[in-house]
Amino acid sequence: AQSVAQPEDQVNVAEGNPLTVKCTYSVSGNPYLFWYVQYPNRGLQFLLKYITGDNLVKGSYGFEAEFNKSQTSFHLKKPSALVSDSALYFCAVRDGSNYQLIWGAGTKLIIKP
Amino acid sequence: DTAVSQTPKYLVTQMGNDKSIKCEQNLGHDTMYWYKQDSKKFLKIMFSYNNKELIINETVPNRFSPKSPDKAHLNLHINSLELGDSAVYFCASSQGYPLGETQYFGPGTRLLVL
Repeated sequence: AQSVAQPEDQVNVAEGNPLTVKCTYSVSGNPYLFWYVQYPNRGLQFLLKYITGDNLVKGSYGFEAEFNKSQTSFHLKKPSALVSDSALYFCAVRDGSNYQLIWGAGTKLIIKP
Repeated sequence: DTAVSQTPKYLVTQMGNDKSIKCEQNLGHDTMYWYKQDSKKFLKIMFSYNNKELIINETVPNRFSPKSPDKAHLNLHINSLELGDSAVYFCASSQGYPLGETQYFGPGTRLLVL
């Protein structure tokens, strides 16, 4: 079955520290992977995506994500967290068979000053 | 200019009423979506239209009826509103089919059914 898992409901990081938000997936075919961010009372915003090519993808606001095919993971990372990074982060994967986007449950990221 | 806009932003109504939410995108995209986000922030796709043709119709009560008068608009009409319909509804758009290209979201419509 196609699925996306974000194993952490919430991640707490001190400002200035590196952050990681985890995502694992299970789909048929080659995955197209996405990260979106939702700030409070706002719509989702696209951060980055992996289609093919380099496993390390760079996106908006200094975020990057690493595609790991053997571990079926696409973790979101940032070297130095900002308080303004506090938001809800969604991982999504395009199912290779029916092309529909499958969404994770979201991870709340809290950056403390 | 707002790329994907929704009206209204807030909607408070009584159970049993009928209401509509409008969505417009000025990105020139050919695919539009409606999502429901519940109180736990789970995001669930409801419908998707490509070039005004319905291509995704998830298990949604038939009280919900989308209408796409043109590629730039996708409206959502809800009949006989129920308490469980209270949620935030997001419209989104993308370019190209098959689905899965980068989606651009509207600000959301917060629906509260009393």
